[in-house]
Amino acid sequence: QQQVKQSPQSLIVQKGGISIINCAYENTAFDYFPWYQQFPGKGPALLIAIRPDVSEKKEGRFTISFNKSAKQFSLHIMDSQPGDSATYFCAASSDFGNEKLTFGTGTRLTIIP
Amino acid sequence: DVKVTQSSRYLVKRTGEKVFLECVQDMDHENMFWYRQDPGLGLRLIYFSYDVKMKEKGDIPEGYSVSREKKERFSLILESASTNQTSMYLCASSRGLAEINIQYFGAGTRLSVL
Repeated sequence: QQQVKQSPQSLIVQKGGISIINCAYENTAFDYFPWYQQFPGKGPALLIAIRPDVSEKKEGRFTISFNKSAKQFSLHIMDSQPGDSATYFCAASSDFGNEKLTFGTGTRLTIIP
Repeated sequence: DVKVTQSSRYLVKRTGEKVFLECVQDMDHENMFWYRQDPGLGLRLIYFSYDVKMKEKGDIPEGYSVSREKKERFSLILESASTNQTSMYLCASSRGLAEINIQYFGAGTRLSVL
């Protein structure tokens, strides 16, 4: 089974700080890397995604950084807010290889005032 | 907005019971998925379906089966529930082959098997 390794398992960040969650993958065929956000009692929701033709993608306060040679990608949340407190999952898949989404183990992020 | 609805938020069943988890999506999506979510293990794919009456095994299909008789509905069946199937179950859907991995999730069913 292809793996996506996610760290840290939990993270506490002060309001206004930068939250950083990291993921590493093994399968070089992966070509789609989404991040999902899950609030308590809700299902995961797609937050932001990147393909390997770019090294960075930014949407508002959320940025994905992608390092193809290192097979790593990370989520950065700038100016973190209490409303960002949630569990975050990275994932990877290969559209052309017909690989379904493989999820990381999740990071529980808590933003403290 | 895509809506994926799971019929139960919480279920409590006894060992050996047959359990049905139901999922309905309202966006005419071709693909539907069942995952289980466990702390420290993330989301793991149980089964998926890319068309009515079609199904494929995911990473952990043992002890589960699925049914898709209508495009909008995908059922997960535990033939004989066991305590190790206590988990959060998530249903998801996506459109077509080109967007198969752009998935929309339901709120989940928390199943406890006693």
